Amino acid sequence: NAGVTQTPKFQVLKTGQSMTLQCAQDMNHNSMYWYRQDPGMGLRLIYYSASEGTTDKGEVPNGYNVSRLNKREFSLRLESAAPSQTSVYFCASSDPRAGRTFYEQYFGPGTRLTVT
Amino acid sequence: QKEVEQDPGPLSVPEGAIVSLNCTYSNSAFQYFMWYRQYSRKGPELLMYTYSSGNKEDGRFTAQVDKSSKYISLFIRDSQPSDSATYLCAMTQSFISNFGNEKLTFGTGTRLTIIP
Repeated sequence: NAGVTQTPKFQVLKTGQSMTLQCAQDMNHNSMYWYRQDPGMGLRLIYYSASEGTTDKGEVPNGYNVSRLNKREFSLRLESAAPSQTSVYFCASSDPRAGRTFYEQYFGPGTRLTVT
Repeated sequence: QKEVEQDPGPLSVPEGAIVSLNCTYSNSAFQYFMWYRQYSRKGPELLMYTYSSGNKEDGRFTAQVDKSSKYISLFIRDSQPSDSATYLCAMTQSFISNFGNEKLTFGTGTRLTIIP
């Protein structure tokens, strides 16, 4: 199993450009998440998807859109990139099930994005 | 004030030393406390978690939660160079009540280097 995969690994954008970050998981997990990690700020949730067909905002959703394409894939889109979106982006997935009191989030390797 | 505070370090200790990593938090509703390890240029991975107050041991690692002080710790015994990483604490209220939508609150991470 590859776990959670993300593409691309690195990206440089100019202000105003758009791009989509791709995430896929092969663990048959229902829930998927997008985080950004910035120095001094820790990991912050951008959007999450509790199940296929549903998405919801996290702590810092402004400037982003998401699509839960199917159970495996969850993409993050920057419509008009800004320097403040320079960050490392992590996708994660988890497997919540009735009766479980804890379920781990599994993270991908990240995408390093620089907006100039 | 952040909900979760964590000293970013960096922290350097000699091999074989006992390491203590800590987080404080302000939200008394947090019930689940996690420690993630993140190697350089990788995604975080769950190291261990505890529920409510008390200690939990896993090999050389011990997690401790003091809810009365809103203070959690991770101890690493007989530290090894392979323990060099950034350690992130994370917390949430409940997994059951937020079925599939659990939102973890992360600390900023402490960068640890074990010197051979």
